Amino acid sequence: NAGVTQTPKFQVLKTGQSMTLQCAQDMNHEYMSWYRQDPGMGLRLIHYSVGAGITDQGEVPNGYNVSRSTTEDFPLRLLSAAPSQTSVYFCASSQDRRAGKNIQYFGAGTRLSVL
Amino acid sequence: KQEVTQIPAALSVPEGENLVLNCSFTDSAIYNLQWFRQDPGKGLTSLLLIQSSQREQTSGRLNASLDKSSGRSTLYIAASQPGDSATYLCAANNQAGTALIFGKGTTLSVSS
Repeated sequence: NAGVTQTPKFQVLKTGQSMTLQCAQDMNHEYMSWYRQDPGMGLRLIHYSVGAGITDQGEVPNGYNVSRSTTEDFPLRLLSAAPSQTSVYFCASSQDRRAGKNIQYFGAGTRLSVL
Repeated sequence: KQEVTQIPAALSVPEGENLVLNCSFTDSAIYNLQWFRQDPGKGLTSLLLIQSSQREQTSGRLNASLDKSSGRSTLYIAASQPGDSATYLCAANNQAGTALIFGKGTTLSVSS
């Protein structure tokens, strides 16, 4: 049972480049989310999804896009990377569509540097 | 708006000590309160989930309590070990149930 899988683990981008962070879960969870973690700021929610075809914005959505075409996958897209997006990104999932109703499982993270 | 606060931000103890980590939250309309552990450079691992109807939850040397009325939770670690060194985070849902709100964590260092 793989749980929540994130790729890549590390990435370096130049300002203005685009990329997609991948997230997949094999637990048939309804709720999936993306967080960024920055020193002194803690974990902040970027976007979340309560099921295939349903996404919404979190606390810090600007500069990021998401889609959820399947239950398993929830990719995060950076359209034009900026140095302010240098961070560690975590994908998480939980069984119930209501956040906090069940245990939340996290991926290992993607460490992104934007130069 | 749900806000989660953890005190202290950092804690250093010698091996064998019992210790308490504190978590407070502003909105008591929560499903559950969750405690996580994060090792340096790693993701978060769930330690305990206390349902809103529960007062306590135990797992091995860990015991978490919940007082919804006062908006507080504590994580008690008995007989601490160097392997317990990590950052501990607590989290509670927002009122709409659309997000899990995290505290900034307590970084624990246990020396041998």
